[in-house]
Amino acid sequence: KQEVTQIPAALSVPEGENLVLNCSFTDSAIYNLQWFRQDPGKGLTSLLLIQSSQREQTSGRLNASLDKSSGRSTLYIAASQPGDSATYLCAVRVVVGNQFYFGTGTSLTVIP
Amino acid sequence: DADVTQTPRNRITKTGKRIMLECSQTKGHDRMYWYRQDPGLGLRLIYYSFDVKDINKGEISDGYSVSRQAQAKFSLSLESAIPNQTALYFCATSDLRGQGIGELFFGEGSRLTVL
Repeated sequence: KQEVTQIPAALSVPEGENLVLNCSFTDSAIYNLQWFRQDPGKGLTSLLLIQSSQREQTSGRLNASLDKSSGRSTLYIAASQPGDSATYLCAVRVVVGNQFYFGTGTSLTVIP
Repeated sequence: DADVTQTPRNRITKTGKRIMLECSQTKGHDRMYWYRQDPGLGLRLIYYSFDVKDINKGEISDGYSVSRQAQAKFSLSLESAIPNQTALYFCATSDLRGQGIGELFFGEGSRLTVL
């Protein structure tokens, strides 16, 4: 069974800092990896989707990379803002069974 | 309007009551999912459906049932609610393409409290 791990579980940084969130997975047989943002008590908002054949995707201040062979993805947030404070989750879509597996998230706090 | 709509958004009920959570989507996706989210446990799959005639159990289906009334509608039922079913429930959709985009889209969630 695919296992997805996100470390650290929580992160606190001052405003303006660049930061990296990590996601690792145990089975490299995936179709894609998706990064989400979740505000407290709210739904998950899709941030970036990386197909298994891609190395990275960018959207505004966000850049996600994928190294499928090593089972790792990173989400880079440039020039962090207090509005970036949220929990960030990654999910992989596996080939066998075509299901999604989620990490437990990294709770990010950006201090003004 | 949201692409994936869940009702109700919040519900408080008592042990033993029957509860239905409803989900409708306008994305035209074939695949629909029900997840529950608990603090520290992440998202766990309850049931999923690849089309109207195809319904499958997820990792935590005990105590739950589902109905896929149409391509756009997927309901989750708790036949006899118990307190440990208190959680945040999410409906999600994705397309059917195996090696295509396959992006997952979520509803806003339904917070259920069982007393």
